[in-house]
Amino acid sequence: GENVEQHPSTLSVQEGDSAVIKCTYSDSASNYFPWYKQELGKGPQLIIDIRSNVGEKKDQRIAVTLNKTAKHFSLHITETQPEDSAVYFCAARTQYSGGGADGLTFGKGTHLIIQP
Amino acid sequence: DADVTQTPRNRITKTGKRIMLECSQTKGHDRMYWYRQDPGLGLRLIYYSFDVKDINKGEISDGYSVSRQAQAKFSLSLESAIPNQTALYFCATSYGLAGELFFGEGSRLTVL
Repeated sequence: GENVEQHPSTLSVQEGDSAVIKCTYSDSASNYFPWYKQELGKGPQLIIDIRSNVGEKKDQRIAVTLNKTAKHFSLHITETQPEDSAVYFCAARTQYSGGGADGLTFGKGTHLIIQP
Repeated sequence: DADVTQTPRNRITKTGKRIMLECSQTKGHDRMYWYRQDPGLGLRLIYYSFDVKDINKGEISDGYSVSRQAQAKFSLSLESAIPNQTALYFCATSYGLAGELFFGEGSRLTVL
């Protein structure tokens, strides 16, 4: 099955600086890569996703890049703000799953801390 | 009101007790899931259901059972709770082949 590795487990950055979280996956058949943000006391929420036919996707201060050859994808947050402090999870979905969210394999999470 | 509601939000119980965690949704989604979150282990899928008559095991189903009572309701049961089932449990929904999961706010279970 799919295996997703996520690094680092904790990341501390100064407010205003950029943050990068990296994930690798094992199944070359995976074709969908979402990122979820979990704020304290809440459930995870989708913040951005990318499909295997695209190399990069941006949404305001957030971007995701995908390198299919190397089987890794990254989340980039620019101009970090206090509200970016949270746990971030990457995930990968193999194309051999039912096509929905049941085929998602999650990374172990990154605790992002924004220092004032 | 939350679109995906979990009850109870917190529960402390003893080894051997039967526990039920309930989930209801107002999103009209067909698919529902139960995940378990442990520190340093991420989110792991316990069971999922595509509709009322469909139940599927996930990665870590041993020791758990589920019931899909209606399209909007999906409950998770621990027949005889054990301490290593102490965790944060999340219910989630999705629609059809769309990949986005919508999570509830979680149920924290402690088994003594």
